[in-house]
Amino acid sequence: EDKVVQSPLSLVVHEGDTVTLNCSYEVTNFRSLLWYKQEKKAPTFLFMLTSSGIEKKSGRLSSILDKKELFSILNITATQTGDSAVYLCAVLIGEAGNMLTFGGGTRLMVKP
Amino acid sequence: NAGVTQTPKFQVLKTGQSMTLQCAQDMNHEYMSWYRQDPGMGLRLIHYSVGAGITDQGEVPNGYNVSRSTTEDFPLRLLSAAPSQTSVYFCASSYSGGSPYEQYFGPGTRLTVT
Repeated sequence: EDKVVQSPLSLVVHEGDTVTLNCSYEVTNFRSLLWYKQEKKAPTFLFMLTSSGIEKKSGRLSSILDKKELFSILNITATQTGDSAVYLCAVLIGEAGNMLTFGGGTRLMVKP
Repeated sequence: NAGVTQTPKFQVLKTGQSMTLQCAQDMNHEYMSWYRQDPGMGLRLIHYSVGAGITDQGEVPNGYNVSRSTTEDFPLRLLSAAPSQTSVYFCASSYSGGSPYEQYFGPGTRLTVT
C-alpha cells in the first residue's frame, strides 16, 4: 500500500525562526514529489521534485528530495505570520504519473 | 483562464439524498480527479479520469460515481448521501502523459450530510 508520512503533525514557532518539515514515502511507481500550501481553501502548489539532491528554491522556501532514503524536506527561513498554514506533501505515482497520494499534512503556526 | 471551478461552494444534504458536485476546467487538461479532505487529514483520491470517456477508481470510491463526457467537465455524483461523506471535496486537473505535471485544485465544496 502506498504511504506518505509527514512530521511533525503540528509546529508552533515565532516570527524569524527557521523550520524544517519532513516527508517520507513508500510507494510503487514513484514519479515525483510535490509540496502544497493550504490556507483554509484549495492547496496551492509550491514545488515539484523529481531528481535527488537538487534543491528547489522560492524566496524563503526551499526543498530537496532524497530518492535513496525516500524522503523530502521543506525548509522555511525567517518565518512570517503569513507562512501559517497546513503544508501538504504528495507523491505523484502511476504509469501516466498523475495520481497523487497525500500525507496527512503539517500544521504550522507562526506567532508574532 | 478561470482555472478549475467547482459548484456549489457549500451544500447540506439529508441522509439518503443524492446530488452532483460540478467541476470544470478551461486549461484543456486531460487528467481530472476528485479528492475528499476530512478534518485534520490530507486529501484522499476518490475517482480520476485520464481523458474523455475514461474513468477509474481511486482510494475511496464507494458511494460515488463519475463520468467524463467532455474534456472540460468531471462531475461527482453522490448516490445516497451518508453522514460519513461529510467532507470538503476538491477537484483537480493537470496535463497527462510521460512527464509529471503539477495538479491545479479548485476552490472546494464543503458538504455536510445530516
